[in-house]
Amino acid sequence: DAMVIQNPRYQVTQFGKPVTLSCSQTLNHNVMYWYQQKSSQAPKLLFHYYDKDFNNEADTPDNFQSRRPNTSFCFLDIRSPGLGDAAMYLCATGHSGANEKLFFGSGTQLSVL
Amino acid sequence: GNSVTQMEGPVTLSEEAFLTINCTYTATGYPSLFWYVQYPGEGLQLLLKATKADDKGSNKGFEATYRKETTSFHLEKGSVQVSDSAVYFCALIQGAQKLVFGQGTRLTINP
Repeated sequence: DAMVIQNPRYQVTQFGKPVTLSCSQTLNHNVMYWYQQKSSQAPKLLFHYYDKDFNNEADTPDNFQSRRPNTSFCFLDIRSPGLGDAAMYLCATGHSGANEKLFFGSGTQLSVL
Repeated sequence: GNSVTQMEGPVTLSEEAFLTINCTYTATGYPSLFWYVQYPGEGLQLLLKATKADDKGSNKGFEATYRKETTSFHLEKGSVQVSDSAVYFCALIQGAQKLVFGQGTRLTINP
């Protein structure tokens, strides 16, 4: 049973056209993460939510925003996608406290035309 | 800050060969260590983990031992299969719950 679900699996958008990626979880984890993974590279953390507290990485562009309306859902908004934003976007969840593993969704592959 | 360094790939082996993928880390204190696997077009799946020194994580024939004295967590498998072809990421997590990845090692197993 899928525990971290990302939709859509593939997303195509146009240069400069806002796009939203979604993530939901059934694990009731209080921490949710968004990673960007470009081809043949390691995933790069964009930001994470600790409960409702938003934590942005210092080098995450302002073009990337996130919303977490409740424990189960988290959204990644790209306000004006550029060609360089084409990547796999991975959502992950975790439980705060001990150094436990993260659970990843299958990812959304974003193409920018 | 914390960091993870993996051996550079790609790695190509024949079926039933012995596999080692090296991983070393830099961290203060005692992080938890992980190996994640990523099959083509998929997200990351946890392969195995170890949470303290001398722990051995194992799964699907893969093993890795947390060595604090050498700050290493090398991945090994005695006999690889074609289905093991994937990208393998070593990672650590500590304190602020940020998972830090190595650069990944692409493994290809030929029949």
